[in-house]
Amino acid sequence: GEDVEQSLFLSVREGDSSVINCTYTDSSSTYLYWYKQEPGAGLQLLTYIFSNMDMKQDQRLTVLLNKKDKHLSLRIADTQTGDSAIYFCAESPGPDSWGKLQFGAGTQVVVTP
Amino acid sequence: DVKVTQSSRYLVKRTGEKVFLECVQDMDHENMFWYRQDPGLGLRLIYFSYDVKMKEKGDIPEGYSVSREKKERFSLILESASTNQTSMYLCASSDPGGGGSWNTEAFFGQGTRLTVV
Repeated sequence: GEDVEQSLFLSVREGDSSVINCTYTDSSSTYLYWYKQEPGAGLQLLTYIFSNMDMKQDQRLTVLLNKKDKHLSLRIADTQTGDSAIYFCAESPGPDSWGKLQFGAGTQVVVTP
Repeated sequence: DVKVTQSSRYLVKRTGEKVFLECVQDMDHENMFWYRQDPGLGLRLIYFSYDVKMKEKGDIPEGYSVSREKKERFSLILESASTNQTSMYLCASSDPGGGGSWNTEAFFGQGTRLTVV
């Protein structure tokens, strides 16, 4: 299968911005997703971006997509302690994928006071 | 509110036992998935189903089987549990997209943490 790569850990101070990066390899990906997982819970969709977009903003969240470099990032403005979680990026490889998503390993974000 | 419900949050089973993990969704989704999550490895797809009685192997199907007798229910079966199957198991469902949309956002259950001793 195709690989989705993320760094495993990010530490950020409360009130600062967090940037989580992700690279993917399937150029036919149509949608790219960011999921959040709080301790002991399942995954919750945060936001997604269609592959023909460069940027999407949703309140404190900004997603940037560089399709040429196959690079996706999630910026969280004014990071709060409640943002401490694991963040997964995922790609939807397209119409032949039966809806399967390819996930990265997840980035553990720790917010310190 | 859309819901994917897994039957257990925590399970402890003995080596060699047959284990059933159940998942039910109320969104009338066609696709259902079973993933396992291990630290540093992310989510790995075990099996998925795109219709009743249909199943396809994912990336790590060995040691597992699945059953989908009804559209809303997808079961994961560990035929003979082993300690290397100790993990967090996540069920998800999605629409296949269509009508020009290939947004296949997946909705997840809360997870089942299985320990095999």
